[in-house]
Amino acid sequence: EAQLVESGGDLIQPGGSLRLSCAASGFTLSYYSMNWVRQAPGKGLEWISYISVRGDTIYYADSVKGRFTISRDNAKNSLVLQMTSLRADDTAVYFCAGGEAYFDKWGQGTLVTVSS
Amino acid sequence: DIQMTQSPSTLSASVGDRVTITCRASQSISTWLAWYQQKPGKAPKLLMYKASTLESGVPSRFSGSGSGTEFTLTISNLQPDDFATYYCQQYNDYSFTFGPGTKVDIK
Repeated sequence: EAQLVESGGDLIQPGGSLRLSCAASGFTLSYYSMNWVRQAPGKGLEWISYISVRGDTIYYADSVKGRFTISRDNAKNSLVLQMTSLRADDTAVYFCAGGEAYFDKWGQGTLVTVSS
Repeated sequence: DIQMTQSPSTLSASVGDRVTITCRASQSISTWLAWYQQKPGKAPKLLMYKASTLESGVPSRFSGSGSGTEFTLTISNLQPDDFATYYCQQYNDYSFTFGPGTKVDIK
Protein backbone atom coordinates (compact mmCIF):
# COMPACT_ATOMS: atom_id res chain seq x y z
CA GLU A 1 0.00 0.00 0.00
CA ALA A 2 1.33 3.43 -0.94
CA GLN A 3 1.99 5.48 2.14
CA LEU A 4 3.54 8.80 3.15
CA VAL A 5 4.67 9.28 6.74
CA GLU A 6 5.64 12.66 8.15
CA SER A 7 7.81 13.16 11.21
CA GLY A 8 9.59 15.92 13.08
CA GLY A 9 6.68 17.90 14.45
CA ASP A 10 7.24 19.37 17.89
CA LEU A 11 6.60 22.23 20.29
CA ILE A 12 9.05 24.99 19.41
CA GLN A 13 9.56 28.53 20.65
CA PRO A 14 8.96 31.54 18.39
CA GLY A 15 12.04 32.27 16.30
CA GLY A 16 13.15 28.67 16.41
CA SER A 17 13.85 26.17 13.65
CA LEU A 18 12.47 22.74 12.90
CA ARG A 19 13.01 20.09 10.24
CA LEU A 20 10.12 17.99 8.99
CA SER A 21 10.60 14.79 7.03
CA CYS A 22 8.29 12.77 4.84
CA ALA A 23 9.09 9.17 3.99
CA ALA A 24 7.43 7.15 1.28
CA SER A 25 6.70 3.46 1.30
CA GLY A 26 4.93 1.28 -1.21
CA PHE A 27 5.74 3.63 -4.08
CA THR A 28 8.66 5.50 -5.52
CA LEU A 29 8.58 9.08 -4.28
CA SER A 30 11.11 10.10 -6.93
CA TYR A 31 8.41 9.69 -9.60
CA TYR A 32 6.24 12.34 -7.96
CA SER A 33 6.36 16.08 -7.64
CA MET A 34 5.82 16.75 -3.95
CA ASN A 35 4.25 19.43 -1.81
CA TRP A 36 3.75 20.53 1.76
CA VAL A 37 0.27 21.59 2.83
CA ARG A 38 -0.59 22.78 6.32
CA GLN A 39 -3.73 23.16 8.37
CA ALA A 40 -3.92 25.41 11.40
CA PRO A 41 -6.10 24.09 14.25
CA GLY A 42 -9.75 24.28 13.23
CA LYS A 43 -8.89 26.01 9.97
CA GLY A 44 -8.69 25.16 6.28
CA LEU A 45 -5.90 23.86 4.08
CA GLU A 46 -2.98 26.03 2.98
CA TRP A 47 -0.51 24.93 0.32
CA ILE A 48 2.97 26.13 1.25
CA SER A 49 5.57 24.55 -1.04
CA TYR A 50 6.16 22.49 -4.20
CA ILE A 51 9.21 20.65 -5.51
CA SER A 52 9.49 19.02 -8.91
CA VAL A 53 10.55 15.42 -9.53
CA ARG A 54 14.20 16.34 -10.04
CA GLY A 55 14.17 19.08 -7.45
CA ASP A 56 15.06 21.76 -9.96
CA THR A 57 11.80 23.68 -9.71
CA ILE A 58 10.59 24.95 -6.35
CA TYR A 59 7.75 27.24 -5.34
CA TYR A 60 6.66 28.69 -2.01
CA ALA A 61 3.62 30.46 -0.70
CA ASP A 62 4.31 34.06 0.24
CA SER A 63 3.56 33.22 3.88
CA VAL A 64 6.69 31.04 4.15
CA LYS A 65 8.98 32.39 1.43
CA GLY A 66 12.44 33.15 2.77
CA ARG A 67 11.85 31.15 5.97
CA PHE A 68 11.10 27.61 4.77
CA THR A 69 13.14 25.41 2.44
CA ILE A 70 11.84 22.33 0.67
CA SER A 71 14.21 19.62 -0.52
CA ARG A 72 14.14 16.00 -1.52
CA ASP A 73 16.47 13.02 -1.48
CA ASN A 74 15.23 10.65 -4.15
CA ALA A 75 17.84 8.06 -3.23
CA LYS A 76 16.31 7.91 0.24
CA ASN A 77 12.73 8.20 -1.04
CA SER A 78 12.21 11.21 1.24
CA LEU A 79 11.12 14.83 1.35
CA VAL A 80 12.22 17.52 3.81
CA LEU A 81 10.87 20.87 4.95
CA GLN A 82 13.38 23.02 6.83
CA MET A 83 11.57 25.72 8.79
CA THR A 84 13.28 28.74 10.35
CA SER A 85 12.14 31.94 12.08
CA LEU A 86 9.01 30.17 13.20
CA ARG A 87 6.04 32.26 14.30
CA ALA A 88 2.89 31.51 16.25
CA ASP A 89 0.87 31.53 13.04
CA ASP A 90 2.97 28.65 11.70
CA THR A 91 1.25 26.42 14.24
CA ALA A 92 -0.45 23.72 12.18
CA VAL A 93 -0.56 20.13 11.12
CA TYR A 94 1.86 19.77 8.23
CA PHE A 95 1.02 17.27 5.50
CA CYS A 96 3.25 16.09 2.70
CA ALA A 97 1.25 15.55 -0.46
CA GLY A 98 2.20 13.97 -3.76
CA GLY A 99 1.13 15.37 -7.08
CA GLU A 100 2.12 17.83 -9.78
CA ALA A 101 -0.85 20.13 -9.32
CA TYR A 102 -3.53 18.27 -7.43
CA PHE A 103 -2.67 15.90 -4.65
CA ASP A 104 -3.58 12.23 -4.79
CA LYS A 105 -1.24 11.01 -2.07
CA TRP A 106 -1.22 12.39 1.48
CA GLY A 107 0.54 11.60 4.70
CA GLN A 108 -1.26 11.60 8.04
CA GLY A 109 0.37 14.88 9.07
CA THR A 110 2.71 16.03 11.83
CA LEU A 111 1.84 18.74 14.36
CA VAL A 112 4.04 21.80 14.74
CA THR A 113 3.22 24.06 17.68
CA VAL A 114 5.00 27.40 17.94
CA SER A 115 4.61 28.81 21.42
CA SER A 116 6.66 30.16 24.29
CA ASP B 1 -2.89 35.12 -6.17
CA ILE B 2 -6.15 33.47 -7.12
CA GLN B 3 -8.68 33.52 -4.28
CA MET B 4 -11.19 30.73 -3.84
CA THR B 5 -14.54 30.97 -2.10
CA GLN B 6 -17.04 28.25 -1.26
CA SER B 7 -20.72 28.29 -0.39
CA PRO B 8 -22.31 27.40 1.82
CA SER B 9 -19.82 27.17 4.66
CA THR B 10 -22.01 24.61 6.40
CA LEU B 11 -24.69 22.41 4.93
CA SER B 12 -27.08 20.27 6.97
CA ALA B 13 -28.49 17.30 5.11
CA SER B 14 -29.99 13.86 5.56
CA VAL B 15 -28.98 10.47 4.24
CA GLY B 16 -30.38 10.12 0.73
CA ASP B 17 -30.33 13.86 -0.01
CA ARG B 18 -28.75 15.45 -3.04
CA VAL B 19 -26.35 18.21 -2.03
CA THR B 20 -24.48 20.80 -4.06
CA ILE B 21 -21.44 22.81 -3.03
CA THR B 22 -20.32 25.83 -5.03
CA CYS B 23 -16.74 26.99 -5.47
CA ARG B 24 -15.79 30.27 -7.10
CA ALA B 25 -12.41 31.53 -8.28
CA SER B 26 -11.37 35.19 -8.33
CA GLN B 27 -10.27 34.80 -11.94
CA SER B 28 -10.69 32.22 -14.65
CA ILE B 29 -8.96 28.91 -13.97
CA SER B 30 -10.37 27.01 -16.95
CA THR B 31 -11.07 23.55 -15.47
CA TRP B 32 -7.96 23.41 -13.29
CA LEU B 33 -9.90 22.54 -10.15
CA ALA B 34 -9.80 19.67 -7.71
CA TRP B 35 -12.13 18.63 -4.88
CA TYR B 36 -11.14 16.94 -1.62
CA GLN B 37 -13.00 15.35 1.26
CA GLN B 38 -11.59 15.57 4.77
CA LYS B 39 -12.81 13.92 7.94
CA PRO B 40 -11.74 15.08 11.42
CA GLY B 41 -8.19 14.11 12.29
CA LYS B 42 -7.55 12.66 8.85
CA ALA B 43 -5.71 13.73 5.73
CA PRO B 44 -7.72 15.08 2.82
CA LYS B 45 -8.75 12.64 0.13
CA LEU B 46 -8.80 13.57 -3.55
CA LEU B 47 -12.28 13.18 -5.05
CA MET B 48 -12.13 14.94 -8.37
CA TYR B 49 -9.70 16.74 -10.63
CA LYS B 50 -9.96 18.78 -13.82
CA ALA B 51 -13.28 19.93 -12.42
CA SER B 52 -15.22 16.82 -13.39
CA THR B 53 -12.89 13.80 -13.56
CA LEU B 54 -13.59 11.34 -10.79
CA GLU B 55 -10.54 9.97 -9.00
CA SER B 56 -10.20 6.20 -9.17
CA GLY B 57 -12.17 4.46 -6.44
CA VAL B 58 -14.43 7.43 -5.66
CA PRO B 59 -18.14 6.51 -5.78
CA SER B 60 -20.10 7.70 -8.80
CA ARG B 61 -22.57 9.57 -6.58
CA PHE B 62 -19.95 12.33 -6.56
CA SER B 63 -19.92 14.56 -9.62
CA GLY B 64 -18.33 17.84 -10.54
CA SER B 65 -18.98 20.52 -13.11
CA GLY B 66 -18.02 24.02 -14.10
CA SER B 67 -15.32 25.99 -15.82
CA GLY B 68 -13.87 29.46 -15.68
CA THR B 69 -14.76 30.87 -12.29
CA GLU B 70 -17.72 28.82 -11.05
CA PHE B 71 -17.74 25.16 -10.12
CA THR B 72 -19.99 22.73 -8.31
CA LEU B 73 -19.56 19.46 -6.47
CA THR B 74 -22.73 17.41 -6.24
CA ILE B 75 -23.30 14.40 -4.03
CA SER B 76 -26.39 12.48 -5.00
CA ASN B 77 -27.96 10.05 -2.53
CA LEU B 78 -25.86 11.24 0.44
CA GLN B 79 -24.44 8.36 2.46
CA PRO B 80 -23.38 8.27 6.14
CA ASP B 81 -19.73 8.13 5.06
CA ASP B 82 -20.11 11.43 3.18
CA PHE B 83 -20.51 13.63 6.26
CA ALA B 84 -17.23 15.54 6.14
CA THR B 85 -15.67 18.83 5.06
CA TYR B 86 -15.12 19.45 1.37
CA TYR B 87 -12.47 21.70 -0.13
CA CYS B 88 -11.92 22.94 -3.66
CA GLN B 89 -8.40 23.72 -4.86
CA GLN B 90 -7.25 25.60 -7.95
CA TYR B 91 -4.13 24.63 -9.80
CA ASN B 92 -4.17 27.18 -12.59
CA ASP B 93 -0.73 28.33 -11.52
CA TYR B 94 1.92 27.27 -9.06
CA SER B 95 0.40 29.18 -6.22
CA PHE B 96 -2.16 26.55 -5.40
CA THR B 97 -5.01 27.79 -3.28
CA PHE B 98 -7.80 26.03 -1.47
CA GLY B 99 -11.29 27.20 -0.76
CA PRO B 100 -12.24 27.71 2.90
CA GLY B 101 -14.22 24.48 3.03
CA THR B 102 -17.84 23.37 3.28
CA LYS B 103 -18.85 21.20 6.20
CA VAL B 104 -21.63 18.73 5.43
CA ASP B 105 -23.26 17.65 8.65
CA ILE B 106 -26.27 15.64 9.70
CA LYS B 107 -29.59 17.45 9.81
